[in-house]
Amino acid sequence: DQQVKQNSPSLSVQEGRISILNCDYTNSMFDYFLWYKKYPAEGPTFLISISSIKDKNEDGRFTVFLNKSAKHLSLHIVPSQPGDSAVYFCASSGGYQKVTFGTGTKLQVIP
Amino acid sequence: EPEVTQTPSHQVTQMGQEVILRCVPISNHLYFYWYRQILGQKVEFLVSFYNNEISEKSEIFDDQFSVERPDGSNFTLKIRSTKLEDSAMYFCASTEGMGTRAPYEQYFGPGTRLTVT
Repeated sequence: DQQVKQNSPSLSVQEGRISILNCDYTNSMFDYFLWYKKYPAEGPTFLISISSIKDKNEDGRFTVFLNKSAKHLSLHIVPSQPGDSAVYFCASSGGYQKVTFGTGTKLQVIP
Repeated sequence: EPEVTQTPSHQVTQMGQEVILRCVPISNHLYFYWYRQILGQKVEFLVSFYNNEISEKSEIFDDQFSVERPDGSNFTLKIRSTKLEDSAMYFCASTEGMGTRAPYEQYFGPGTRLTVT
């Protein structure tokens, strides 16, 4: 079964500094990786994605890095802002198939 | 900006009752999904739907569950006889499909909180 793991349940970062959220996966057949942000009682909000043929994708303050040999990806947020405080989910997809979510990392950005 | 909408936001029902959760996906999207999140757990896939048929379903999506696209805009999830363990947030999602800028990125609705008593 596809497995996506986020080993850090929480992270605290000072405003203006870099937030780095990590994710590991077990299935080399994943085509696509995504990061979602979620506030309590709301649906996941799509942030950024990366195809398995790339190793970096950048969108404004958000950059995702993919290390296929290590089966690891990370999300960098620079600079971190208080409004970034939320739960961040790493997810994987084989295309139009289901998205498999990790357990999430709760980010707190301290003003 | 177009968004996925879901109704109701909160549904309370008694065990054994049927519920229908409704979703309006983004209008030009072709692939539709239902997920759920039990309190304290991760978001889990239930079912995907394309071209008026189920394309994939999880072990959770048993005979008590069904999906339908009754018209050109709505996408529904029906639970025939609810159980206590069906209490969860249910999220609808959609994606554009082939040949678009973001073919695989799924966009989620705000969710329906289902409480089975």
